[in-house]
Amino acid sequence: AQRVTQPEKLLSVFKGAPVELKCNYSYSGSPELFWYVQYSRQRLQLLLRHISRESIKGFTADLNKGETSFHLKKPFAQEEDSAMYYCALRNQAGTALIFGKGTTLSVSS
Amino acid sequence: DSGVTQTPKHLITATGQRVTLRCSPRSGDLSVYWYQQSLDQGLQFLIQYYNGEERAKGNILERFSAQQFPDLHSELNLSSLELGDSALYFCASSPWRGEQFFGPGTRLTVL
Repeated sequence: AQRVTQPEKLLSVFKGAPVELKCNYSYSGSPELFWYVQYSRQRLQLLLRHISRESIKGFTADLNKGETSFHLKKPFAQEEDSAMYYCALRNQAGTALIFGKGTTLSVSS
Repeated sequence: DSGVTQTPKHLITATGQRVTLRCSPRSGDLSVYWYQQSLDQGLQFLIQYYNGEERAKGNILERFSAQQFPDLHSELNLSSLELGDSALYFCASSPWRGEQFFGPGTRLTVL
């Protein structure tokens, strides 16, 4: 079965603290994984994809096939990082995205 | 704005009614995807069209249907609406397998 699990509904941290948003997946073969972000009242935007291995807005994510995880990390959270974060997996057919239920990140000063 | 556009922004209707949501993809994108975002189910894939043809189906109810027209815009038709159909409906577009770009969504409220 293809599935994405984001175990935390809400993650609250203080500004400057490290952030780790957890994502685990279930997939046969080589997965294609993404992180999307949705700021308040805005559309979903692609934040990261694992194949590009780039860092956007200080966020990084490493694919760990042994643990079937793709956790999103940032060493020092900023207030503007407050948003809903979705982990997504491209389905086996290579068409649609399967999303986790999302984690709301709240960064306070 | 050459991004994905969706109309209307908000829709309020009654149970049993039928509504049509419209999506215009980014210029050059041939694929259109529809997703439903609800509080309990999260973001779920409904259906994909590529250059006018249905390519993939997700958790789409039989009461729902979609189509993609020759100018590549797409419509999602929801009929016999129930309270549980209240949700945000997102459209996304992409080149065949590329990054999906999302529209702002249509918020449907069924009373």
